[in-house]
Amino acid sequence: DAKTTQPPSMDCAEGRAANLPCNHSTISGNEYVYWYRQIHSQGPQYIIHGLKNNETNEMASLIITEDRKSSTLILPHATLRDTAVYYCIANSGNTPLVFGKGTRLSVIA
Amino acid sequence: GAVVSQHPSRVICKSGTSVKIECRSLDFQATTMFWYRQFPKKSLMLMATSNEGSKATYEQGVEKDKFLINHASLTLSTLTVTSAHPEDSSFYICSAREFLPRDRSTDTQYFGPGTRLTVL
Repeated sequence: DAKTTQPPSMDCAEGRAANLPCNHSTISGNEYVYWYRQIHSQGPQYIIHGLKNNETNEMASLIITEDRKSSTLILPHATLRDTAVYYCIANSGNTPLVFGKGTRLSVIA
Repeated sequence: GAVVSQHPSRVICKSGTSVKIECRSLDFQATTMFWYRQFPKKSLMLMATSNEGSKATYEQGVEKDKFLINHASLTLSTLTVTSAHPEDSSFYICSAREFLPRDRSTDTQYFGPGTRLTVL
C-alpha cells in the first residue's frame, strides 16, 4: 500500500465543515483511497472510498485531486459526535488495510 | 453498511488461562477476515489474515501458537489467546471483507466493535 501522510491533529468548530487532508503521492493506479474513523474505544467505522472521481455519501464527501496524489475528506457540518481519529488509507482492495497514525479531529462547541 | 459483531466486548481473565473471541459478519458472507490489535494511544496493528476453510496467515512477530485463529464458516472467525499473560492485554478488533461487493467498486473491510482483554 502507498504511504499516506496526515496531520496529527485538527480542531473544528461545531456546525462548520471539517476538511481533513491526506497526502498519498506514491499511490498506484489500482489503489483506492479509503477513509475510516475510530471513536474512542470502538472499532473503526468505514466512511467512504474512491478511486478517481469525487464521492459523496450520507456521512461525508471525498475530493481526490486530478493527479491522485492527495485527497480531502469533508464533513459538511461537524458535530461533537464526529470527534474521532480519522484514517486515510491507500489500498487496492486485495490486501488487508494498514493503519497509520491518522488525524485526531476535535470538534469544539 | 455491513455489520460485524464481536463477542465478548470485554473480558478479564487470570494469567495462564485461554480466552476465545468470536467475530461474526451478520448480514454478509466474508471469505476473508482479519484480526488486529491495538494498544493504548496507538494505531491498529494487523495480526493475521484468515480465509474460510484454510490456515491463517500471521504477520511477522505474531506467534501463531499463541493466537489461534479459526475461520470455520463464511460468517464466523474466532481468535483464541492461549495461556494469556498480562502483556497480551489489549484491544482486539476483527474485520471482515465482503464476499460479493455490494457496489461497483472494490471490496470494503468492515470492522467489529472490538474486545478489550485484560489479563491479571
